Amino acid sequence: GQQLNQSPQSMFIQEGEDVSMNCTSSSIFNTWLWYKQDPGEGPVLLIALYKAGELTSNGRLTAQFGITRKDSFLNISASIPSDVGIYFCAGLHTGANSKLTFGKGITLSVRP
Amino acid sequence: DVKVTQSSRYLVKRTGEKVFLECVQDMDHENMFWYRQDPGLGLRLIYFSYDVKMKEKGDIPEGYSVSREKKERFSLILESASTNQTSMYLCASSVQGPSAETQYFGPGTRLLVL
Repeated sequence: GQQLNQSPQSMFIQEGEDVSMNCTSSSIFNTWLWYKQDPGEGPVLLIALYKAGELTSNGRLTAQFGITRKDSFLNISASIPSDVGIYFCAGLHTGANSKLTFGKGITLSVRP
Repeated sequence: DVKVTQSSRYLVKRTGEKVFLECVQDMDHENMFWYRQDPGLGLRLIYFSYDVKMKEKGDIPEGYSVSREKKERFSLILESASTNQTSMYLCASSVQGPSAETQYFGPGTRLLVL
């Protein structure tokens, strides 16, 4: 099946630093989503983006829907230890019957 | 609050056993999904369902089947478990129509097949 590209697989940052993750695809999506999975839990939706160029914030998180509709990025500012986890991007085509395509995820570690 | 529960957090089974993973959601969602999660591979869709008694194959259905007899419950069945089915299994649900892209996940079942 189709996949979204997220790299690197792991990122290590210092507490207080900002971090940016991006997600790319060879095809167009009409909705982009960012999920976070805490250790030992299921993923939880962080931000949803519905229009090309849209920039949305949720606290220290900011995400953008790329103009080409083939990419999205997530930025975390002033990282804290509880930001540790796996960050997945996901995309949805119109008419896909709610079937999401997920990236492989980026594991974020935050050093105190 | 949406709640998706999975019958077990950890499960150990032997090769060849029939395994049932149960998922229940309490928000009257029409859509339900089963994924498996493996390191470096992300989330891969096994099966999904849009309605009671309805099922569709996802990207990796081989070796699995599903059952949806009631709207709130979606079961994943491993007819004859194999070691390559050792994985984390995640169930999710969502509404249909607007906001259908927002999937709510359960905590996962970590299955070990010996």
